[in-house]
This record gives sequence, structure tokens and C-alpha cells, in this order.
Amino acid sequence: AQSVTQLDSQVPVFEEAPVELRCNYSSSVSVYLFWYVQYPNQGLQLLLKYLSGSTLVKGINGFEAEFNKSQTSFHLRKPSVHISDTAEYFCAVSESVDMRFGAGTRLTVKP
Amino acid sequence: GAGVSQSPSNKVTEKGKDVELRCDPISGHTALYWYRQSLGQGLEFLIYFQGNSAPDKSGLPSDRFSAERTGGSVSTLTIQRTQQEDSAVYLCASSTGTAHGYTFGSGTRLTVV
Repeated sequence: AQSVTQLDSQVPVFEEAPVELRCNYSSSVSVYLFWYVQYPNQGLQLLLKYLSGSTLVKGINGFEAEFNKSQTSFHLRKPSVHISDTAEYFCAVSESVDMRFGAGTRLTVKP
Repeated sequence: GAGVSQSPSNKVTEKGKDVELRCDPISGHTALYWYRQSLGQGLEFLIYFQGNSAPDKSGLPSDRFSAERTGGSVSTLTIQRTQQEDSAVYLCASSTGTAHGYTFGSGTRLTVV
């Protein structure tokens, strides 16, 4: 069965610093991988997704993620964060018709 | 509609009462999903619909939870005899297929007192 582990529950970082949010998944078959963002008091928005092909995928707001099959990872990165990136980030995996989410990583960007 | 609509946005209910949560998906989205988000927790999968059918009900926490979808559109999640541990944000999402990702509603915040 598919599952997701987000290795950091909280990541504090200063503005303009780089950030990496880690995600590992478990599955016995090929998967789709996703990152969603949830800003305070809002619903979840799709940041980016990996379906197949190039292992480096670019999303909205300057975020990118790299699929590593051997490491079963899909880490999210941004080279320079802004205050407005403060939010909860969820990694998700899908083997077929439904999607399972990690527990989330709270990114806090400090001035 | 333009987005996934959930109602009510907030619900406070007394322990033991029944509640109904509604989800109106994006028009044309055949798949509909319910998740539960508890404080400090991730998203817990509850159930999904393909059309009006629910192939996987394994995520429903107990037999107090049920869901239906009619006309391939609106879905209702019903919780009977609510308990305090049912307090959470209930999120609905719809999709044309997993590869396209999900569009989420803003959720219903349920508080059982």
C-alpha cells in the first residue's frame, strides 16, 4: 500500500535562504507524486506533480522537486524563500485512483 | 461551479447529535474524495467516489460515518452520534483523474462539544 513520510514537521528558515522539505514514499508500483501547499485558513493548492519523464519538476512560486526512484524520495526545494511562503506543505502519493498524504511540514519564513 | 464548494464552513454540534457535511464538486469532475484533517495531523483519507459509486470505503473511521453521492455531483458525508474525537476539518476534493491532481474545497470545520 502507498504511504508517505515527511521527515520534518517544522522547518524555520530566514527570508532569502534556500529550503528543502523532505518527502519519502513507499509503494510497490509506479506512482504519481505531488506537493500541495496550504496557506493559513485556506484550502490546499497544487504546487507541482511528477507523473513520468524528467525527474526534475518545476511548480508554481519558484518551487521545484526532484523524483529519486532509488531513494524513493520527492524532496521539495526553493533557492530563495519569501515571507509569503510561510505555509503548511503536504507531499502526496498515488498508485492509481486515490491519493495518500504525509503529515505535513510547516515552513516558517522569518524576516 | 468554478471551484469545489463545501458547506457549512463551520459547524458546532453537541456530542451525540448527527451532522451532514456537503460537497459540491467542480462540474464534470467524475471523482470526488473526502479527507479529514485533525489539528497537527496530515490528511486522513476517508472515502472516494467514482461517479456515484464508492469502490473504497476502507478509510471511514467507524460505522457512524457514511457518505453518498447522487447524480454524479453533490456528495454528503454524514456522521451519526458525533463524538469529540470527530472534531476536525473535513476536506472534499474533486478531480477528472489523479494525474491531474485534486482541487480541494475550503473545508468544513466541525467542532463537537
